[in-house]
Amino acid sequence: EAGVTQFPSHSVIEKGQTVTLRCDPISGHDNLYWYRRVMGKEIKFLLHFVKESKQDESGMPNNRFLAERTGGTYSTLKVQPAELEDSGVYFCASSQDMADTQYFGPGTRLTVL
Amino acid sequence: GESVGLHLPTLSVQEGDNSIINCAYSNSASDYFIWYKQESGKGPQFIIDIRSNMDKRQGQRVTVLLNKTVKHLSLQIAATQPGDSAVYFCAENNGDYKLSFGAGTTVTVRA
Repeated sequence: EAGVTQFPSHSVIEKGQTVTLRCDPISGHDNLYWYRRVMGKEIKFLLHFVKESKQDESGMPNNRFLAERTGGTYSTLKVQPAELEDSGVYFCASSQDMADTQYFGPGTRLTVL
Repeated sequence: GESVGLHLPTLSVQEGDNSIINCAYSNSASDYFIWYKQESGKGPQFIIDIRSNMDKRQGQRVTVLLNKTVKHLSLQIAATQPGDSAVYFCAENNGDYKLSFGAGTTVTVRA
């Protein structure tokens, strides 16, 4: 069974540009989560989807971040326009039920110059 | 605010010895705790979990201990191997399904 996959693995963009990150959860997992780790700090929750619905987006830092999960399968996280402080590693995780173990993808390392 | 934290950012251990990684948490409402291992270039990998109605759980070469009285969580790795070198995160869940992570402990295994 394939695990959670994320694309791209790395992205280097300039301040003001737009970047879209993609996450493919484990097949059959209704719950999808986005987290990020900025340099030297702990991994922080961003938001949670149940199928195509946003269950909790309390961790989204501001309105420059937009997450979607059309069709309830893969999800995208768009940052527009990107700022320097957005640099970090963005992780996606999925679980079958909300109370189940969350399995993480390899992350996307975003560098904003 | 309440948070999950680790006692030490780094741990160096001799191959074959046992490792103990500690974590303190402050949210008394948390009822589910997880240990993740993150190797370079990879995402956090689930190791073992424990619910608040237990104080000990064992897996393959790993044991998690939970002391709710002092809000302390530990991960013990038996006979540490070079492949155990990684960053270890404890995470807590207080029922709302979003995980709160500690800053991580980097474990280095010496040959």
